[in-house]
Amino acid sequence: DIQMTQSPSALSASVGDRVTITCRASQHVHVWLAWYQQKPGRAPYLLISQASNLETGVPSRFSGSGSATEFTLTISSLQPDDCATYFCQQYNSYPPTFGGGTKVEI
Amino acid sequence: QVQLVESGGGVVQPGESLRLSCVGSGFAFTNFAMHWVRQTPAKGLEWVAVISYSGANTNYAESVKGRSIISRDNTKNTMSLQIKSLRHEDTAVYYCARSSDQVGGEPFDYWGQGVLVTVSS
Repeated sequence: DIQMTQSPSALSASVGDRVTITCRASQHVHVWLAWYQQKPGRAPYLLISQASNLETGVPSRFSGSGSATEFTLTISSLQPDDCATYFCQQYNSYPPTFGGGTKVEI
Repeated sequence: QVQLVESGGGVVQPGESLRLSCVGSGFAFTNFAMHWVRQTPAKGLEWVAVISYSGANTNYAESVKGRSIISRDNTKNTMSLQIKSLRHEDTAVYYCARSSDQVGGEPFDYWGQGVLVTVSS
């Protein structure tokens, strides 16, 4: 199985800060990487697919980049509503696997 | 709007079986592969199983392979997961999730609200 490692596991930032989360894959996954946001008590919500494609309705302050084994999720200007845990997921090969999550606090 | 609603969770004893169901609405259920994904605080998110749009193809995580069956009834917009010989480590919130394609090779674009399964004696 492909192991997905996220860093940091948690971060605290201020409103308006630029926040970057890193996701590393143990094997090459091309651009087949997704990012999800999860708020407490809620299901994950798809933000980005194919490493950098923003899903419809996702605010433009979110962006994704990377390929192969290293990927980043960036929030350009952190908002209070962005307090959540963020997960990466590879879908290059079965089984699909997730990172351990990054909890973002303000 | 797309909705996925799970049911069937609860407390079960080790060794027992459980059947989870997921009803989809607001989209053409027959056109999409469907997954089960589970989550625990300790292990995080873990993919469990997938079934293709027609039901012809399925795949399972090693952790449940051989004791689980995923199925779907497109006439009722319903997908199910039966897990036998439940273990303590099967305790989790189980989500059904839609794949954004027919065969399960794309991300999960919609999720249900989740259902808690607790395996305990």
